Amino acid sequence: EAQVTQNPRYLITVTGKKLTVTCSQNMNHEYMSWYRQDPGLGLRQIYYSMNVEVTDKGDVPEGYKVSRKEKRNFPLILESPSPNQTSLYFCASMRGALLSNQPQHFGDGTRLSIL
Amino acid sequence: QKEVEQNSGPLSVPEGAIASLNCTYSDRGSQSFFWYRQYSGKSPELIMSIYSNGDKEDGRFTAQLNKASQYVSLLIRDSQPSDSATYLCAVNRQLSFGAGTTVTVRA
Repeated sequence: EAQVTQNPRYLITVTGKKLTVTCSQNMNHEYMSWYRQDPGLGLRQIYYSMNVEVTDKGDVPEGYKVSRKEKRNFPLILESPSPNQTSLYFCASMRGALLSNQPQHFGDGTRLSIL
Repeated sequence: QKEVEQNSGPLSVPEGAIASLNCTYSDRGSQSFFWYRQYSGKSPELIMSIYSNGDKEDGRFTAQLNKASQYVSLLIRDSQPSDSATYLCAVNRQLSFGAGTTVTVRA
């Protein structure tokens, strides 16, 4: 089954404790992306990757890091989480390049709470 | 100006009525447009895509695109309680999403 898998689904942690949210897709998609979703603000892009070893900042990259060492995986790293990073996070993938006419496939989301 | 703007909600419609959602975008070169539906606490799922000016119908959903005016709309006919969700407009050139319009269909 074609899917985007995020882990963990839920996490409560404390300020400053490094964490990683993993994202994996099994569709051989070139493009992957991370979004955060906050009430009233919709989906905001954090980082995206057009292919292996190619990553770029989205609209709200501060406080986050990503890597794309393999095509299927695109982890999101919070080196020193802060309470303002409490949010619902989605990973997405898409076939083709940035200007592709393809829709994005989303993971089930990760709800992060930073205390 | 935001890249993608949607009409502010929430939008409340009676069961069986037509729900009309609008979306405007700033990049005139955009070529593909998508409507995603998102139930509370769930991930967005694609319901419609449109690439050419005019209307595209899929069941009870109709997407309308007007590139000259830079807007895309979604009509939901015969609205059902199961249509209650947030609808996100996405413009793929920037891979940008609007903030969403929350629709509530009241029985």
